[in-house]
Amino acid sequence: GQQLNQSPQSMFIQEGEDVSMNCTSSSIFNTWLWYKQDPGEGPVLLIALYKAGELTSNGRLTAQFGITRKDSFLNISASIPSDVGIYFCAGRLIYNQGGKLIFGQGTELSVKP
Amino acid sequence: NAGVTQTPKFRVLKTGQSMTLLCAQDMNHEYMYWYRQDPGMGLRLIHYSVGEGTTAKGEVPDGYNVSRLKKQNFLLGLESAAPSQTSVYFCASSSDYSPLHFGNGTRLTVT
Repeated sequence: GQQLNQSPQSMFIQEGEDVSMNCTSSSIFNTWLWYKQDPGEGPVLLIALYKAGELTSNGRLTAQFGITRKDSFLNISASIPSDVGIYFCAGRLIYNQGGKLIFGQGTELSVKP
Repeated sequence: NAGVTQTPKFRVLKTGQSMTLLCAQDMNHEYMYWYRQDPGMGLRLIHYSVGEGTTAKGEVPDGYNVSRLKKQNFLLGLESAAPSQTSVYFCASSSDYSPLHFGNGTRLTVT
């Protein structure tokens, strides 16, 4: 089946540092989404990308839809303690299947004050 | 504005018992999904529905059944629970114009 490879699996950084994580696949996607999950809660949408090459920012977060449609990255600048959580990428295949998404394995972020 | 609501939040079952998880959304979304989340494995799709009265298998459907009798509700059933079904279950909904919105999860332990 289709798979998304998300890396890194975990990151331990100092407050104020920048963070970068990415997802890659052998399949072509027409949508890339980035979610954040806080402990005990469901994932919450951070950024949605709909066109190849698209670069979108949301505050300190920036994400890009790879030009090949097979990858995406998320950057967080000047990290703060509340950035702690698990970040998931998700992609929707080029052939729409009722909006079904495929998720990466997640990147667990820890921020030391 | 409730969004996606899951009940219950926690449940402990003994092996062989059955239960139903309820998901309700108030956003008039066409599509609804059930995922399970296990450490290091991300979110895996169990079943999904593209409209009232329709369901389809996802990535890991074995041991689960679903029903979508009303557009706003999506039920996930476990007929005979097994320890391998210990997990956190998330319901989500979406439309053609809206990405997935998730509920807050149900933590299920099967002993």
